[in-house]
Amino acid sequence: DTGVSQDPRHKITKRGQNVTFRCDPISEHNRLYWYRQTLGQGPEFLTYFQNEAQLEKSRLLSDRFSAERPKGSFSTLEIQRTEQGDSAMYLCASSFMGQGYEQYFGPGTRLTVT
Amino acid sequence: GQNIDQPTEMTATEGAIVQINCTYQTSGFNGLFWYQQHAGEAPTFLSYNVLDGLEEKGRFSSFLSRSKGYSYLLLKELQMKDSASYLCAVRDGDYKLSFGAGTTVTVRA
Repeated sequence: DTGVSQDPRHKITKRGQNVTFRCDPISEHNRLYWYRQTLGQGPEFLTYFQNEAQLEKSRLLSDRFSAERPKGSFSTLEIQRTEQGDSAMYLCASSFMGQGYEQYFGPGTRLTVT
Repeated sequence: GQNIDQPTEMTATEGAIVQINCTYQTSGFNGLFWYQQHAGEAPTFLSYNVLDGLEEKGRFSSFLSRSKGYSYLLLKELQMKDSASYLCAVRDGDYKLSFGAGTTVTVRA
């Protein structure tokens, strides 16, 4: 069990550019989540996958954001036409399905939009 | 909407005990989680309560009162490495967590 991994760990981009982040969950976990965290705040839910199906998207996820989880394994989060307000830590988490199972978080991708 | 409140900061001395309170008003309730987050790192799971009462795990304990919408995390025998942000999170359905803003605990020698 190598834990949840995310790539890249840091990304600096210019406003208007597109960026894509990758998350590799713990292999046995069928649930995958994306959160966004800004300085001094707790993580905010963005979206959730059960296997390959995206079952919920937060209102925070504008049309510029898209997430996929092909084949129910790794997931990608793409942000198109980045804005300075997109600067944040993007966290991925995974878990088993079931009431008592906690979410395991990856190290995050810190995005800075200049 | 979800409303989860916890103090912004707390300071305590090494070896002491600190209690971090969390109050919540959520549309549903299906468990309360506490996570620890060191600066620049991922949140790591500490405890889970779904029924009223106290759950103890080593130096950390967590309490829940569903009728009061209240939980606390108790950290005993504080160590310098316990300096971190502590996040209270409520699961209101089958999977989604709503987090508080976190409590930054500073442990002083």
